[in-house]
Amino acid sequence: DGGITQSPKYLFRKEGQNVTLSCEQNLNHDAMYWYRQDPGQGLRLIYYSQIVNDFQKGDIAEGYSVSREKKESFPLTVTSAQKNPTAFYLCASSMGTGIFAEAFFGQGTRLTVV
Amino acid sequence: AQTVTQSQPEMSVQEAETVTLSCTYDTSESDYYLFWYKQPPSRQMILVIRQEAYKQQNATENRFSVNFQKAAKSFSLKISDSQLGDAAMYFCAYRSADSGYALNFGKGTSLLVTP
Repeated sequence: DGGITQSPKYLFRKEGQNVTLSCEQNLNHDAMYWYRQDPGQGLRLIYYSQIVNDFQKGDIAEGYSVSREKKESFPLTVTSAQKNPTAFYLCASSMGTGIFAEAFFGQGTRLTVV
Repeated sequence: AQTVTQSQPEMSVQEAETVTLSCTYDTSESDYYLFWYKQPPSRQMILVIRQEAYKQQNATENRFSVNFQKAAKSFSLKISDSQLGDAAMYFCAYRSADSGYALNFGKGTSLLVTP
């Protein structure tokens, strides 16, 4: 079945540690996105990539990094510079960059700093 | 960044009744798309309906329809014959070239459906 897979579903991190969230898609989509969701805040864009080996900062990129070495993969690293990393993270992808393209979402990763 | 505003943090509707969720947005673009996404307790984001700015006719998907008022920059979602399974967070989203084709979301409306 085609779709987007995020792993792990739950992740715990100690303060000061970097952690990487995985996002893989087999939909052959060009564009991929990372969002952060906090209660009462909706979804806020962290990074997005429209093509392999290229990505752009979103509204809240500070303390995060990404790579796009393969079309199907867009991992997100939460660095120790992110002061409040506890949140729910959603990865999405869409066919091309046309504004009509529907975005498909993974099931999310819940990150907790302990 | 373009802003999307959902002014109703919570709404409640009785089963079989109709409810309207509000959304306004701010943009200087003429070509863009608007979306409503549903997020049930499973937290899986599901597309409900979408509307292209150039189309005059309001989009409809079964029990879901929109009232798109381009001049007022308003994009409300109407749910008819509400069902218990409609209970979820609903997010309005905007997408255009000047947003890098990424979806910009509102803060959401939590819909409660009572029997």
